Amino acid sequence: AQSVSQHNHHVILSEAASLELGCNYSYGGTVNLFWYVQYPGQHLQLLLKYFSGDPLVKGIKGFEAEFIKSKFSFNLRKPSVQWSDTAEYFCAVYDGGFNAGNMLTFGGGTRLMVKP
Amino acid sequence: SAVISQKPSRDICQRGTSLTIQCQVDSQVTMMFWYRQQPGQSLTLIATANQGSEATYESGFVIDKFPISRPNLTFSTLTVSNMSPEDSSIYLCSVGGGAKTSGYDNEQFFGPGTRLTVL
Repeated sequence: AQSVSQHNHHVILSEAASLELGCNYSYGGTVNLFWYVQYPGQHLQLLLKYFSGDPLVKGIKGFEAEFIKSKFSFNLRKPSVQWSDTAEYFCAVYDGGFNAGNMLTFGGGTRLMVKP
Repeated sequence: SAVISQKPSRDICQRGTSLTIQCQVDSQVTMMFWYRQQPGQSLTLIATANQGSEATYESGFVIDKFPISRPNLTFSTLTVSNMSPEDSSIYLCSVGGGAKTSGYDNEQFFGPGTRLTVL
């Protein structure tokens, strides 16, 4: 079964600092990769996604993520965070394998706090 | 994108009672998913609800505890039965994902969630 690991559970940054959130998955076959964000009091929203092609994916609000197949990783980055980026971030993997069904596997989440 | 609404948005319930959560989607979808997000934890899939067939439950979840209805392609309900404080969670409805559902290109959309507190 697929598993997804997010290495940082809590991250605290000052505004303008750079951000990198780690995400690793276990399945070695075809995968689709996602980052979701959950702002305080709001529901999950898609930040960006990777299906194929350019492994560097641009998302909304200046976020990007790089798919490195050899490392089973899909790390999320932002060069300069803002206070409004305070949220919880979830990495998710859709396992495109034969027996996978239609199930997203989520990582444990990373709670980001940006200090003004 | 799909727009999903859930009712109720939150509830406080007594131990031993049951609560039914409704999920409405603005378009027809083949598969709907129910997730649980326990306090401070990530999302866990409870079951996949297919229209016209029995729901498929993930390991650790059973139909007697979480009965699901899927009467049509835009609506589903999840019941949390015989509740205990351990059932206090946010329950989320989701649609999309995978080649078996058309139009959503492997992206899943989530409802706003139902925050359940069991006393």
